[in-house]
Amino acid sequence: QVQLRESGPGLVTPSGTLSLTCDVSGASISSPHWWSWVRQPPGKGLECIGEIYHTGDTKYSPTLKSRITMSVDKSRNQFSLIVTSVTAADTAVYYCARDVGREGFWGQGTLVTVSS
Amino acid sequence: EIVLTQSPGTLSLSPGERATLSCRASQNVGTYLSWYQQKPGQAPRLLIYDTSNRATGIPARFSGSGSGTDFTLTISSLEPEDFAVYYCHQRRTWLTFGGGTRVEIK
Repeated sequence: QVQLRESGPGLVTPSGTLSLTCDVSGASISSPHWWSWVRQPPGKGLECIGEIYHTGDTKYSPTLKSRITMSVDKSRNQFSLIVTSVTAADTAVYYCARDVGREGFWGQGTLVTVSS
Repeated sequence: EIVLTQSPGTLSLSPGERATLSCRASQNVGTYLSWYQQKPGQAPRLLIYDTSNRATGIPARFSGSGSGTDFTLTISSLEPEDFAVYYCHQRRTWLTFGGGTRVEIK
């Protein structure tokens, strides 16, 4: 059974950097799938942040691309997200997922709050 | 960026009734349209992908239709566990979601 689990700080200071990791079990990060990050501000809808292929090819949200970096760590079977220059608007539940829009898998999500 | 507009915002129905949810795209998305269900505190759950294909384990009461810019999710007879928020999603170009339709108990 494929499982994804997000981890990282639950609190980030404004103008700081948000860093999250998604640990993948039950499947290889090197398998031919798209690995994604999706976020959801409290009480609001879903927003795709970016996705990365096992080859390292990336697709980023046009509105966030200047602040986002995604990477894959094959040795640890995980992928990561970095968001720089965060503001309160980046407060959200962050989900990692495999193959959004197709039969895939999602993590349970982790709440990241941007506050001083 | 393709914008997905869902209607209505809220649908108030009783168990056993038929639910019809709409999703309109600002540009042609072909058949790359999927539907997710989300309950409070849970990750979204895929119901339908590529317009009309039910995901594994999804009951037959859920069906999807449409093409191009207009799509529909139909729940033929609402069960108590179907009251939730539903999002449409496109992957024709950059991935985007609609704003959601809440299906609530009348």
